[in-house]
Amino acid sequence: GIQVEQSPPDLILQEGANSTLRCNFSDSVNNLQWFHQNPWGQLINLFYIPSGTKQNGRLSATTVATERYSLLYISSSQTTDSGVYFCAVESTSGTYKYIFGTGTRLKVLA
Amino acid sequence: DTGVSQDPRHKITKRGQNVTFRCDPISEHNRLYWYRQTLGQGPEFLTYFQNEAQLEKSRLLSDRFSAERPKGSFSTLEIQRTEQGDSAMYLCASSSGQGGSTEAFFGQGTRLTVV
Repeated sequence: GIQVEQSPPDLILQEGANSTLRCNFSDSVNNLQWFHQNPWGQLINLFYIPSGTKQNGRLSATTVATERYSLLYISSSQTTDSGVYFCAVESTSGTYKYIFGTGTRLKVLA
Repeated sequence: DTGVSQDPRHKITKRGQNVTFRCDPISEHNRLYWYRQTLGQGPEFLTYFQNEAQLEKSRLLSDRFSAERPKGSFSTLEIQRTEQGDSAMYLCASSSGQGGSTEAFFGQGTRLTVV
């Protein structure tokens, strides 16, 4: 099945710093989502981005489907950005399920 | 629209007991998924419903696990004869499928601890 790899696995930043999280996937996908998992376990939708670039405040994402990767940019990081960021890809198998990466654990220090 | 709702939020059970979790998807979402997440890992797909039809089951879903979605509305996930290895966060998600969108929205999860 499709493999999803995220890097880096762990990231520590000072408040105000910028960062780039990467998601590589091993096969063609129909869609891609980025999520932020908060300390209580809730997965918060960040981007639904099968291709192209989207921006939402301090966050933006770019997916280059032909090269099988997606990037999540966080600018001017805040302590509330801490948590785990997951990339999930929708396989082309026809059942619309999402396959998740292992996540990037981000800690932003005040 | 209140989002995907899961109940209970936490469940502690003794090994060998049966447990049942409930998921209420976003209204009018016809696709519903169950995932399991263990510590330090990403969520893993368990099963998928299109309306009331269960269309895919992962091999992670052993014969002790059963899921239903009667009338295509809420769904239940039952685990029989629980084992310590079943301890995990169980997540439910739904998507509408309307306009070709497959964006999935997740509930808060049910955290199961088997002692």
